[in-house]
Amino acid sequence: EAGVAQSPRYKIIEKRQSVAFWCNPISGHATLYWYQQILGQGPKLLIQFQNNGVVDDSQLPKDRFSAERLKGVDSTLKIQPAKLEDSAVYLCASSAFQRIETGELFFGEGSRLTVL
Amino acid sequence: SQQGEEDPQALSIQEGENATMNCSYKTSINNLQWYRQNSGRGLVHLILIRSNEREKHSGRLRVTLDTSKKSSSLLITASRAADTASYFCATGYNYGQNFVFGPGTRLSVLP
Repeated sequence: EAGVAQSPRYKIIEKRQSVAFWCNPISGHATLYWYQQILGQGPKLLIQFQNNGVVDDSQLPKDRFSAERLKGVDSTLKIQPAKLEDSAVYLCASSAFQRIETGELFFGEGSRLTVL
Repeated sequence: SQQGEEDPQALSIQEGENATMNCSYKTSINNLQWYRQNSGRGLVHLILIRSNEREKHSGRLRVTLDTSKKSSSLLITASRAADTASYFCATGYNYGQNFVFGPGTRLSVLP
């Protein structure tokens, strides 16, 4: 079974530039998450999708971050314009379930962003 | 906040020794999960323990849960160099905003 795919693995940009990350979840997983992980910290949820609808985006900085999930499968996370503090690893995860009682999250390898 | 807090922040042991790390949380949970993250990689699910369970085993892993103390421990027996990683607990009663990862314990297993 193929895992969660993410690209690019690494990206270096100047501040105020834009960047986009792509995620393809495990086939059949209805729920998709984007997490931000700053060096030395645990992952912090940015947005949760159930199929192609947003379930929770309360911690997404909407003035600069946007995300969509086309046709309830692939997802794209965009940052525009980037700030220095956006330097982090962006992790995509998927789950077959929305409720925590029933399953685990499957994570991709992450996209490491460096903003100069 | 329901955030789990792992303890210690860092742990260094010799190969073959046991490693124990702890997680404390603040509010009621439905289950608690442990994840491992190798350097530069994504997180990998290790084990899930439900609020009505007290102990669970998976290979060399043993997890305990004490809901009265709002704490959990992860024991890795006979550690190997390949166990070197960061270990996170995640707690909550739903996914999304209410499912929160702690800052992690960085385990180093020296050969």
